[in-house]
Amino acid sequence: EIVLTQSPGTLSLSPGERATLSCRASQSISSSYLAWYQQKPGQAPRLLIYGASSRATGIPDRFSGSGSGTDFTLTISRLEPEDFAVYYCQQYGRAPKTFGQGTKVEIK
Amino acid sequence: EVQLVESGGDLVQPGGSLRLSCTASGFTFSSHSMNWVRQAPGKGLEWVAYISSSSSSIYFADSVKGRFALSRDNAKESLYLQLYSLRDEDTAVYYCARGQDWNTGAFDIWGQGTMVSVSS
Repeated sequence: EIVLTQSPGTLSLSPGERATLSCRASQSISSSYLAWYQQKPGQAPRLLIYGASSRATGIPDRFSGSGSGTDFTLTISRLEPEDFAVYYCQQYGRAPKTFGQGTKVEIK
Repeated sequence: EVQLVESGGDLVQPGGSLRLSCTASGFTFSSHSMNWVRQAPGKGLEWVAYISSSSSSIYFADSVKGRFALSRDNAKESLYLQLYSLRDEDTAVYYCARGQDWNTGAFDIWGQGTMVSVSS
């Protein structure tokens, strides 16, 4: 099983600031089968990034993903009020299709 | 509109059974793999199960293997998760989620979730 470790657990930032979220895998993720999701309270998760760096349909370009192998990053270039949420990384290349434990981005 | 709608969640006693359904609309259901993901109250996301578009491949998380069964009916555009021998720790919101293609892919469409509560 591939274990994903996200850091930090909580990120306290102000609107307009840059957010950098990390996801580290216990072993290399093949073909960059790494995704990022956003979840707001009471809502289902929403796909932001797939293939480590491709934005999903309708996702603003302030969201970007990078990385390969075992180290991946989600960057939000300038935080908008609606971006404060919990973010999860996931590897979907092989079962079990594990998620990280999440990073909460909160308003400072 | 592309949509997934789950149903079947309920309050059930430990050791009980339940069947969850997920009905798709607005896309070609038979062309996509499907998954179930659950979220215990106040906790993170846990992948539960996967089925390929033709049902030829089915996988489960170790936490539910041997207790849950997964199937789909492409003609009815529906996905089913049968839960047996339920435990307290199975209490969660259960989401169905579409894979981007027939075999794998990130989860690009999610339902609103259905709540399963296991308690005596």
